[in-house]
Amino acid sequence: AQSVTQPDIHITVSEGASLELRCNYSYGATPYLFWYVQSPGQGLQLLLKYFSGDTLVQGIKGFEAEFKRSQSSFNLRKPSVHWSDAAEYFCAVGANTGNQFYFGTGTSLTVIP
Amino acid sequence: DAGVIQSPRHEVTEMGQEVTLRCKPISGHNSLFWYRQTMMRGLELLIYFNNNVPIDDSGMPEDRFSAKMPNASFSTLKIQPSEPRDSAVYFCASRARTTITGELFFGEGSRLTVL
Repeated sequence: AQSVTQPDIHITVSEGASLELRCNYSYGATPYLFWYVQSPGQGLQLLLKYFSGDTLVQGIKGFEAEFKRSQSSFNLRKPSVHWSDAAEYFCAVGANTGNQFYFGTGTSLTVIP
Repeated sequence: DAGVIQSPRHEVTEMGQEVTLRCKPISGHNSLFWYRQTMMRGLELLIYFNNNVPIDDSGMPEDRFSAKMPNASFSTLKIQPSEPRDSAVYFCASRARTTITGELFFGEGSRLTVL
């Protein structure tokens, strides 16, 4: 069965500290992987995506993610968190056609000064 | 470029009333998705259209929910009659026909409160 697991429901980090949000997936075919961010009262915005090539992908707002096939993981990282990064983060896996698009349950990020 | 546009942004209604949520996808996108987001259940896919045709509506909770896409630039999600448990944020998302990776572009959502 296709699924996405985000094991951390909530993470708190200090401003300026590094961040890693975990994502594990189960998918029967070659996965297309995504990270989205949702600020309060807003829709989901695409941070970055991976479908082939270099397993380390760069996204917007200074985020990056690394695809590790052996671990079925696609963890999101940022070297130095800003207060404005406080939001909900969703990992997703899917295909490029059809409705096969599966979201994780999200990780809520709090940034303390 | 205009993104996915949803209306209304907020809707407060009483139980039993009809609710219609609207979505205008990004021009040129040929797939449209309706999602519901709640604290308890997270993001749930309700229905998926491809080229204006409903392909999968297995996520629609019950017959009180219906969705239409009369043309490539407009879709509606209707709840009749509404119930308090329908309170949620409803998102519309669209996808381009030519994208390699198939990412979805989301609207800002319609927050529905049923009293």
